[in-house]
Amino acid sequence: GESVGLHLPTLSVQEGDNSIINCAYSNSASDYFIWYKQESGKGPQFIIDIRSNMDKRQGQRVTVLLNKTVKHLSLQIAATQPGDSAVYFCAEAPERNTPLVFGKGTRLSVIA
Amino acid sequence: DAGITQSPRHKVTETGTPVTLRCHQTENHRYMYWYRQDPGHGLRLIHYSYGVKDTDKGEVSDGYSVSRSKTEDFLLTLESATSSQTSVYFCAISESSGQETQYFGPGTRLLVL
Repeated sequence: GESVGLHLPTLSVQEGDNSIINCAYSNSASDYFIWYKQESGKGPQFIIDIRSNMDKRQGQRVTVLLNKTVKHLSLQIAATQPGDSAVYFCAEAPERNTPLVFGKGTRLSVIA
Repeated sequence: DAGITQSPRHKVTETGTPVTLRCHQTENHRYMYWYRQDPGHGLRLIHYSYGVKDTDKGEVSDGYSVSRSKTEDFLLTLESATSSQTSVYFCAISESSGQETQYFGPGTRLLVL
C-alpha cells in the first residue's frame, strides 16, 4: 500500500479543482486502455476504459481522453475530493489475447 | 474486489522456505493473473492462466510456479523464497485477455527475512 507510492510523480490539487493525470503509452498498435485507482493498502480498482475508435469517454466525474497521434492518454477528474487521493495507473492492451501492460502510476494528493 | 479473495493477506517467512499464495474467484472468469508490485516498478506480471491447467509466463516468472486445477483457484508458489521476493502480490481476473478489464484482489503482503 503506502510503499507503492515511493518514487512516483505526484500531483497536488486543491479540493474542488479539476485534476488531469497523464499517461504516455508505448505501443501504437494498442487498441484498449484502462485507468485504475489504487488507494493505500488496497488493490487497483477499475475507473474507466476506452477503445481506440474513440477519442473521449465520460463517466461519473471522470473523463478519459485518447490521442493516438502522440500515444497519450489522460484522466480528468472533476471537482476533486479528498477521497480521490490515490495512485492512478493507466494500462494498455497491446494486442488481442495478450495481457495488459501497466504504467508506473501517478500519486494524486488532494489538499483540503 | 469483484469476488476475488487472496490468502493469506500477510505473511512473514524465512529465506529458502517454500510459500504458496492462493487466489480464489467467484466470477467464473477464464483468465487469472499474478502480479507483484514494488516501488518504482509498478505492476509486473509473474504468470497467468487462460484456463484450467493452462498457464503461461509473464515478465518476472523466475523463482515462481503456478497451478490451476479448478476455474476458481489460482495458486502461486515461491519454490525457495528469497529476500528479493519481498513484495505485495496481487491476483487479477478477466473474462478474456487483452481487450477486457482486469479486476484485482486485495493483495498479499509478503516479507522474506
